[in-house]
Parts: sequence; C-alpha cells; structure tokens
Amino acid sequence: DIQMTQSPSSLSASVGDRVTITCRASQSISSYLNWYQQKPGKAPKLLIYAASSLQSGVPSRFSGSGSGTDFTLTISSLQPEDFATYYCQQSYSTLVTFGQGTRLEIK
Amino acid sequence: QVQLVQSGAEVKKPGASVKVSCKASGYTFTSYGISWVRQAPGQGLEWMGWISAYNGNTNYAQKLQGRVTMTTDTSTSTAYMELRSLRSDDTAVYYCARDELDGYKESDYWGQGTLVTVSS
Repeated sequence: DIQMTQSPSSLSASVGDRVTITCRASQSISSYLNWYQQKPGKAPKLLIYAASSLQSGVPSRFSGSGSGTDFTLTISSLQPEDFATYYCQQSYSTLVTFGQGTRLEIK
Repeated sequence: QVQLVQSGAEVKKPGASVKVSCKASGYTFTSYGISWVRQAPGQGLEWMGWISAYNGNTNYAQKLQGRVTMTTDTSTSTAYMELRSLRSDDTAVYYCARDELDGYKESDYWGQGTLVTVSS
C-alpha cells in the first residue's frame, strides 16, 4: 500500500494566520491527491481534489499544491470555522489510503 | 440535491456480522462509485473499499479481504457494506461516500455515518 504521512500531526494557530499542512506519499502518485476537512461528530468534507482543484463551494482561502510525492494544503487566513482535522488521501492506487490527519487548534 | 442516507446504529457481539446500507438520491446512481470509510473512536479515517455502481467491480483494503463484501442494488440506488466475524476493534463510525468512476476518484458527498459497536 502507498503510505501517506502528514505533518505536523497537530498545529496551534490564531485567526488570521496563514497555515500550511504537508502530506508526503511513499511513492509517486502524480496529482492523485485529495484533501478533506472533518469537524467533530461530522462526516469529512472534500476541500481539494487532484492536488490543486478547489471543490465547488469551498472558500478560496483554501489552496493545494504539489505533485509526485510532496503536497501542501494552505489556508491563507484562518477563520474560526477552519479549526478542524485535515486529512490527505491518495487515489492513485486502487487501494486508497489516507494520511493520519492534522488537528488544527486555536492558539 | 445529492444525498446519501445511511442505516441506523448497530450493536453486535464479537463474531457476528453487520450490514450497513447507504441510500443515494439526487443523482444517477450508476454513474458513480461508492467508497466505504470507517473511523474508530478518536482515530483517523480508514479506507475500507470501493464499489462501482456501474458494473459492480470492487476493490477492498487488504486488511479486510475475506471479511468485507460491498454490493449495490441499482433498482433502489442503495449500496451495502457487510462486515463479518466482527471484533472489538471493528467498533467505529462507518461512512459511505460518492466517488467519481474515473479520474481522481475524489469523494464529494458523504453519508451521515453509522456507528457500529462490537461488544460482548
């Protein structure tokens, strides 16, 4: 299986901060990388697909970049509703895998 | 609007089986796939497998091979996930999600989740 490693595992930040979360794949996955946001007790929500394409309805402060093995999710100016856990997911392989998650907390 | 509505919470004993349903509406069911993802208490997301609602093709996570079966009923636009020989570490919230059949296979709509508790 392709292993996905996110860093950091947790992050404290303030409203208005710029935040970057990194995801690394154990082998090249081209641009088959998706990002999800999950709030407690809720289903995940798709933010970014194909590494850099913004899902319809997602605010433009979210952006994604990368290809091959290294990817980033950036939130340009944190809003109160952005405090959540973020997961990357590779869909290059038929055996899909998620990163372990990054918990974004209020400082 | 696209909706995925899952069946209700289940409590099962170790060794039993559970079958969770996911009823789709608001789109052409056979034009997409369905993924199943689970989340143990306090843990991250674990991909379980995927089924094409177009032709029934499946892919399962290796650790669940032999214990999981995913099916669809196109007449009712419903997907099912059956997990057998349940163990305590199968206790989790189980989600279904709609996936593109081709391309990047992102999961753009999700069900509300079904809590499965395995306890003696």
